[in-house]
Amino acid sequence: AQSVTQPDIHITVSEGASLELRCNYSYGATPYLFWYVQSPGQGLQLLLKYFSGDTLVQGIKGFEAEFKRSQSSFNLRKPSVHWSDAAEYFCAVCPGLDSWGKLQFGAGTQVVVTP
Amino acid sequence: EAGVAQSPRYKIIEKRQSVAFWCNPISGHATLYWYQQILGQGPKLLIQFQNNGVVDDSQLPKDRFSAERLKGVDSTLKIQPAKLEDSAVYLCASSHSSGKYQETQYFGPGTRLLVL
Repeated sequence: AQSVTQPDIHITVSEGASLELRCNYSYGATPYLFWYVQSPGQGLQLLLKYFSGDTLVQGIKGFEAEFKRSQSSFNLRKPSVHWSDAAEYFCAVCPGLDSWGKLQFGAGTQVVVTP
Repeated sequence: EAGVAQSPRYKIIEKRQSVAFWCNPISGHATLYWYQQILGQGPKLLIQFQNNGVVDDSQLPKDRFSAERLKGVDSTLKIQPAKLEDSAVYLCASSHSSGKYQETQYFGPGTRLLVL
């Protein structure tokens, strides 16, 4: 079955430290990949997306993600986290052009930033 | 540019009651989505509209959920009667057009529903 897996439910990181959030997908072909962030009381905001081309994608707020076809992964990274990065992060997949808009989300990773 | 608006932000009802949520997408956005986000899970697409037509409602529990977008602008999602398992955040999103690939979905703040 098609699925999106975020193995880490909760991550605690110190301010200034690096952050990596994992995302694995299970689809027959390379899907379109997204990372969203959800702050308390706010809607989901798109951080970055991958459709094709360069496998290292730059996004907003200093985030980047790397697509690895061999590992079916699309991990999100930030070199140095800020207290404002505390939020829930969702990886999402769109299976293909004929399913455009039908995002399938992972369960999310809650990020806590400590001083 | 104003974002996606949703109301109410919070709603508490008893099971078997009915409830309705309202969404106003970003001006000019043809495509509107309703998602259900249960605590501890990612959002799940319930229904997708293109203008005033339904594109996909395969995951909408049609025995109790209904949605409309009569004039192709704002939309209402209704639950009747509500069950305990309907407790969730209901997110509305819009995009300029689902026909064009790479269109980004913009999300509203959501309506948090608690069914007692």
